[in-house]
Amino acid sequence: DAKTTQPNSMESNEEEPVHLPCNHSTISGTDYIHWYRQLPSQGPEYVIHGLTSNVNNRMASLAIAEDRKSSTLILHRATLRDAAVYYCILLNYGGSQGNLIFGKGTKLSVKP
Amino acid sequence: DGGITQSPKYLFRKEGQNVTLSCEQNLNHDAMYWYRQDPGQGLRLIYYSQIVNDFQKGDIAEGYSVSREKKESFPLTVTSAQKNPTAFYLCASSVYRGTIYFGEGSWLTVV
Repeated sequence: DAKTTQPNSMESNEEEPVHLPCNHSTISGTDYIHWYRQLPSQGPEYVIHGLTSNVNNRMASLAIAEDRKSSTLILHRATLRDAAVYYCILLNYGGSQGNLIFGKGTKLSVKP
Repeated sequence: DGGITQSPKYLFRKEGQNVTLSCEQNLNHDAMYWYRQDPGQGLRLIYYSQIVNDFQKGDIAEGYSVSREKKESFPLTVTSAQKNPTAFYLCASSVYRGTIYFGEGSWLTVV
């Protein structure tokens, strides 16, 4: 299974944009890039996903490199509620779907 | 509102006891999953089910059992054979080959 690499932690100031990077150099052509975030003692929350093109939704934007070996989750204006652990994972719909590989993710701290 | 409900939120188990964690979803999802999360770690798959009356072992199935008698329900039993069960347990569901959505989780502690 393809794996992802993320920084252990990042800091941001409130109301500033945040760019969370993810490397996935062994991504296959059918792997979708998914982002989840998790607050302490809560289940992971789906944020966004994409395959090749950049994606936007009400929570965030996902920028995918042309070679798909990396991606960036963009929070346009960080709030204190965005402080969480962010996971970048690859989901191959043709494979054993349940076996998502969640690494340790990036712990985002937001300062007021 | 549609969603995934796990209960109880907190559960204490004595040595040698079996305990069952409940997971119910009203999203009409075919697939359901159970994950275990240890503090500061990622999620590890215990069992998953793509359809009623069928389920497969994940990476760490030993000491756990599941059933899938109804589409909406996927209970997890932590048996006495699981020697280190203290962890955060997460239930999830999805449409077939779709985005996975998670419940709020259940804390299990051995006392």
